[in-house]
Amino acid sequence: GENVGLHLPTLSVQEGDNSIINCAYSNSASDYFIWYKQESGKGPQFIIDIRSNMDKRQGQRVTVLLNKTVKHLSLQIAATQPGDSAVYFCAEPNSGYSTLTFGKGTMLLVSP
Amino acid sequence: NAGVTQTPKFRILKIGQSMTLQCTQDMNHNYMYWYRQDPGMGLKLIYYSVGAGITDKGEVPNGYNVSRSTTEDFPLRLELAAPSQTSVYFCASSYAGEWGDEQYFGPGTRLTVT
Repeated sequence: GENVGLHLPTLSVQEGDNSIINCAYSNSASDYFIWYKQESGKGPQFIIDIRSNMDKRQGQRVTVLLNKTVKHLSLQIAATQPGDSAVYFCAEPNSGYSTLTFGKGTMLLVSP
Repeated sequence: NAGVTQTPKFRILKIGQSMTLQCTQDMNHNYMYWYRQDPGMGLKLIYYSVGAGITDKGEVPNGYNVSRSTTEDFPLRLELAAPSQTSVYFCASSYAGEWGDEQYFGPGTRLTVT
């Protein structure tokens, strides 16, 4: 991947709100994208991925949207809970698909 | 399964010292990776391996060495520690670097070089 970046470094929400975390990418040839969650003091954990031939993919309380026209990826978390507080990274594969390039991350802070 | 385990959890090194960060996975994954994460930053790939006996450089390999003699183990070696290597190091593994094949991360090793 050439450039995977995020618009907002920190997002603060109230418990119960919906959260939207954004990611811009520059490599239009990327075949899929992944979101990871990293809680304080822990390693990243896979949340959800989406292939480039999809616009939307849903998981449990999370939805990833892909807009290839503007090279934009977003992670939506419904009914955000305090346990969702973490840093969220988007990532895309490098050529050859053996490795990933991670964005800088967005910190999500959920207050009760 | 224990997943990906890393030792030690914390380490303080003096400039010029050397050490090996251990990483082991019990998921029979072919691919293994070493990342470093500086405070408030994302993950940068140091080295990776697509199978036993095969290693390749990542984005920031200088100052590090790796080996992959078995499927399970992927140690990272720092020969002459420098303050710039102060970071949190994460090991990860995956079955194969393909669509839908997630990387599993270890808990990390926090290294300080003074």
